[in-house]
Amino acid sequence: QVQLQESGPGLVKPSETLSLTCTVSGGSISNYYWNWIRQPPGKGLEWIGYVYDSGSTIYNPSLKSRVTISVDKSTNQFSLNLSSVTAADTAVYYCARRGRSNAFDFWGQGTMVTVSS
Amino acid sequence: DIQMTQSPSSLSASVGDRVTITCRTSHIISRYLNWYQQKPGEVPKLLIYDTSKLQSGVPSRFSGSGSGTDFTLTISGLQPEDFATYYCQQSYSVPPYTFGQGTKLDIK
Repeated sequence: QVQLQESGPGLVKPSETLSLTCTVSGGSISNYYWNWIRQPPGKGLEWIGYVYDSGSTIYNPSLKSRVTISVDKSTNQFSLNLSSVTAADTAVYYCARRGRSNAFDFWGQGTMVTVSS
Repeated sequence: DIQMTQSPSSLSASVGDRVTITCRTSHIISRYLNWYQQKPGEVPKLLIYDTSKLQSGVPSRFSGSGSGTDFTLTISGLQPEDFATYYCQQSYSVPPYTFGQGTKLDIK
């Protein structure tokens, strides 16, 4: 059974960079698209972007100028960097696998990130 | 972007009821429509993919239908554990993947 686990700081200061890592266990990172999705408190889901095992990426245009997603196949991890954060970036951040069905079939538990000074 | 509109935004129902949630998309997406269930404080869970295919382990009381721009999620015989928020999501066009705003189903 594939498992995903997010890790990273729970508090980030405004204007700084939010950095999270997702560790994939129980399966290979190869041949799948690995996604970041976020959910502000009390609100809906927003897709941030994905990375393929080759390192190719696609980002949400609304965040593209601030987002970098990368993959490290040697450690079965992928990462999110979101720069110049503001309070609007406060959210639960999920990592998720896009499966063969093109749907998000495995999710991490989510990590709450608060942007505050 | 493909806009996703769910209706209703919330509804109340009783155990045993049959409920239907609708998702309308701003562009034709063929059958590339997925449904997720999220309980408070929990992770979204994939229920249905490609409009009508049940994810492994999901009870058969959940079903999906539709095509083009109009889709429905039906729960036949509501169980206490089904009270949650449901989201639709299109996987037809990226970027970006987009979600509906959610439908909160609670107990009447």
